[in-house]
Amino acid sequence: SQTIHQWPATLVQPVGSPLSLECTVEGTSNPNLYWYRQAAGRGLQLLFYSVGIGQISSEVPQNLSASRPQDRQFILSSKKLLLSDSGFYLCAWRSLGQGRDEQYFGPGTRLTVT
Amino acid sequence: AQKVTQAQTEISVVEKEDVTLDCVYETRDTTYYLFWYKQPPSGELVFLIRRNSFDEQNEISGRYSWNFQKSTSSFNFTITASQVVDSAVYFCALRASSDYKLSFGAGTTVTVRA
Repeated sequence: SQTIHQWPATLVQPVGSPLSLECTVEGTSNPNLYWYRQAAGRGLQLLFYSVGIGQISSEVPQNLSASRPQDRQFILSSKKLLLSDSGFYLCAWRSLGQGRDEQYFGPGTRLTVT
Repeated sequence: AQKVTQAQTEISVVEKEDVTLDCVYETRDTTYYLFWYKQPPSGELVFLIRRNSFDEQNEISGRYSWNFQKSTSSFNFTITASQVVDSAVYFCALRASSDYKLSFGAGTTVTVRA
């Protein structure tokens, strides 16, 4: 079966500090991967999308970047965090085949920028 | 462009009551998918159902049922005999069949009181 991991689970960082959030998927190969952000009390905003190693699509211009150094690894980064970067960050992978076509989400990382 | 509207921000019910969550969508695509996700207090989004636009058959899974009406662009979700464990934020989402992006509604917070 497939599982998706995210770490850290929670993070408190000062404004101006760098950021690195990691997402890994097990049990599947060449998955489509996504990064979403959920601000407090709001819906989900798609940040980045990747169909393969080194292939990143950015949805919203912002202070963040993403990389996919390995097939099942997706990293969200920032060189200098802003207060507005606070939120709940969710990684997801897209399950395809055998009549399935839906996204499954990881446990999330709660980021507080102080 | 796609748009998903969940007009109900919060719903509070007493245990064993039925609760219906409304979802109305807009899309110009002729083929699309509709989804419901549950976000319990832990934060992880849990996939509940995917419905294809060409399949208007309603579906029941245990205490959950979904009513898809293409004529009114609605995909409503009913929880029968609600339980405290049903307390969560529920998101409706839409994706065009040719697209990779999910468009989420703002979510409905359901609180089930014992």
